[in-house]
Amino acid sequence: AQSVTQLGSHVSVSEGALVLLRCNYSSSVPPYLFWYVQYPNQGLQLLLKYTSAATLVKGINGFEAEFKKSETSFHLTKPSAHMSDAAEYFCAVSDGAAGNKLTFGGGTRVLVKP
Amino acid sequence: DTAVSQTPKYLVTQMGNDKSIKCEQNLGHDTMYWYKQDSKKFLKIMFSYNNKELIINETVPNRFSPKSPDKAHLNLHINSLELGDSAVYFCASSLSYGGTYNEQFFGPGTRLTVL
Repeated sequence: AQSVTQLGSHVSVSEGALVLLRCNYSSSVPPYLFWYVQYPNQGLQLLLKYTSAATLVKGINGFEAEFKKSETSFHLTKPSAHMSDAAEYFCAVSDGAAGNKLTFGGGTRVLVKP
Repeated sequence: DTAVSQTPKYLVTQMGNDKSIKCEQNLGHDTMYWYKQDSKKFLKIMFSYNNKELIINETVPNRFSPKSPDKAHLNLHINSLELGDSAVYFCASSLSYGGTYNEQFFGPGTRLTVL
């Protein structure tokens, strides 16, 4: 069985500051890992994905994440927060089998202060 | 232009009623999914269909019945609605479901409120 834990349900950052969202996963097989963003009253948009190629993954909107197998982590970062980054962020895992289902973490809401 | 669309966007209904949510994708994908997002934003898969065949059926009350008339459509019918069914329901699709992971594209969601 797979699981995802996102540390911190809310994160507050100042505009221009580093954004760091933490994600730890559990999977019995090499995982596929994802970060999705959800803006208010909208669907989920894929930010980036890890599929066993490079461990440092770059995504859209200046986000990147690093896969660390030894720490079973896939933390999301952005060097400089922008007001438009205020949203809910979800980490998710799939084993590529089992019907391709995604197992999501509980989400982290990011608030950006001016 | 919309890749994955859902109707309606909002659905308000009384307990005990039966309602349906429709989903369509124009991406040419073979696999479609339904996810439920509860009031605490927790997302969980409900069903998945590949080319009209059910491949994932999580522990969901049998009041929920998905139907896939063709591989571009996956509808969700809910009988005897209960207060706990209030949630946002997301449809998603992917190219396929086996082998190398296939990215899932999500629809805008349907907010169901049961009174």
